Amino acid sequence: AQSVTQPDIHITVSEGASLELRCNYSYGATPYLFWYVQSPGQGLQLLLKYFSGDTLVQGIKGFEAEFKRSQSSFNLRKPSVHWSDAAEYFCAVGDGFQKLVFGTGTRLLVSP
Amino acid sequence: EADIYQTPRYLVIGTGKKITLECSQTMGHDKMYWYQQDPGMELHLIHYSYGVNSTEKGDLSSESTVSRIRTEHFPLTLESARPSHTSQYLCASSPTRGGNQPQHFGDGTRLSIL
Repeated sequence: AQSVTQPDIHITVSEGASLELRCNYSYGATPYLFWYVQSPGQGLQLLLKYFSGDTLVQGIKGFEAEFKRSQSSFNLRKPSVHWSDAAEYFCAVGDGFQKLVFGTGTRLLVSP
Repeated sequence: EADIYQTPRYLVIGTGKKITLECSQTMGHDKMYWYQQDPGMELHLIHYSYGVNSTEKGDLSSESTVSRIRTEHFPLTLESARPSHTSQYLCASSPTRGGNQPQHFGDGTRLSIL
């Protein structure tokens, strides 16, 4: 069965600084990978997805993620963080049909 | 933009009551899901459906039940609410075509059982 690990529970970044959120997955086949963001009191919004092809994936709000098969990782990056990026970020892996397994999430705090 | 709606957004209710959480989507998606999410924790799949008259239990055991009589509607019911049911419940949907398509989420129902 697939699994996802997000090793950082909380991360604090200064506004304007770069960001990298870590995600490691376990899955026997080619994974379907997703990053979602959840603002307080809201549902999850899709930031980006990886199915195949180019390992660097561009998403909304200036986010990107890189798939590294050798490291079983799918880290999320943003070159310059804005205060509005403060939220909970979830990495997820799909089983190729329709079930997703989510990580425990990383809470991003943005300091002035 | 996804159009998936959950009502109520917040519900505080006493033990023993019957509760139905509503979820509707206007995108014509065949697949729908219910997740349970505790604060600071990951989402756990409790129910899903591949289409009308299809319902399956998810990875996390739940005392709730679901039904799928219409494509757009996927309500979740608790026959007798208990404090252990206190949580946030998120509904999602996705299209049928090939592999893992992104799931679109509603804003959730935050349920508190007294």
